[in-house]
Amino acid sequence: GEDVEQSLFLSVREGDSSVINCTYTDSSSTYLYWYKQEPGAGLQLLTYIFSNMDMKQDQRLTVLLNKKDKHLSLRIADTQTGDSAIYFCAESRDTDKLIFGTGTRLQVFP
Amino acid sequence: EPEVTQTPSHQVTQMGQEVILRCVPISNHLYFYWYRQILGQKVEFLVSFYNNEISEKSEIFDDQFSVERPDGSNFTLKIRSTKLEDSAMYFCASSELAGELHNEQFFGPGTRLTVL
Repeated sequence: GEDVEQSLFLSVREGDSSVINCTYTDSSSTYLYWYKQEPGAGLQLLTYIFSNMDMKQDQRLTVLLNKKDKHLSLRIADTQTGDSAIYFCAESRDTDKLIFGTGTRLQVFP
Repeated sequence: EPEVTQTPSHQVTQMGQEVILRCVPISNHLYFYWYRQILGQKVEFLVSFYNNEISEKSEIFDDQFSVERPDGSNFTLKIRSTKLEDSAMYFCASSELAGELHNEQFFGPGTRLTVL
């Protein structure tokens, strides 16, 4: 089946690290993505990871993939107020469609 | 930087009316998509479109929905007879590639459809 789950809210202090978690059910996922949505804007691709990788780092972002547990996480180092947004996990398989989670609202406070 | 645009940003309509949501994908992209997000729920895939035909559609995309690329720039989603449950944010996306290769889908800001 197709199911991608995320926790709904995360609140962190500016300068701390944020970790946003996602679980998925289909082991045939090819790519896994993290999208960011700021108020009034579309979904912006932050990073992605191919299913045969365990980790990917891109500046302040670190993606960890645990295929055995079907668990994906996004770590944002040194979180800033500009990181406040909704973060969506998504997966794709052998077709073009993206399957999204519900999104995690990240709130960064000073 | 090129971006996907959508109009209108907010559409209010009466139940049973037809609506057309418009999108202008990025100019060199060949693959186009519509997604929707009902308030508080997940972003759901509706349809993908390539070479002037639908390549994949979801169960949501029933006979009330249609898509069209009427000219070289626009990509539209038509809902023939809107229902209350069609109220949602509709996102258009486009990508240069598709298939098994990583295809970054670029999303528009969305059109909020409210059916009364």
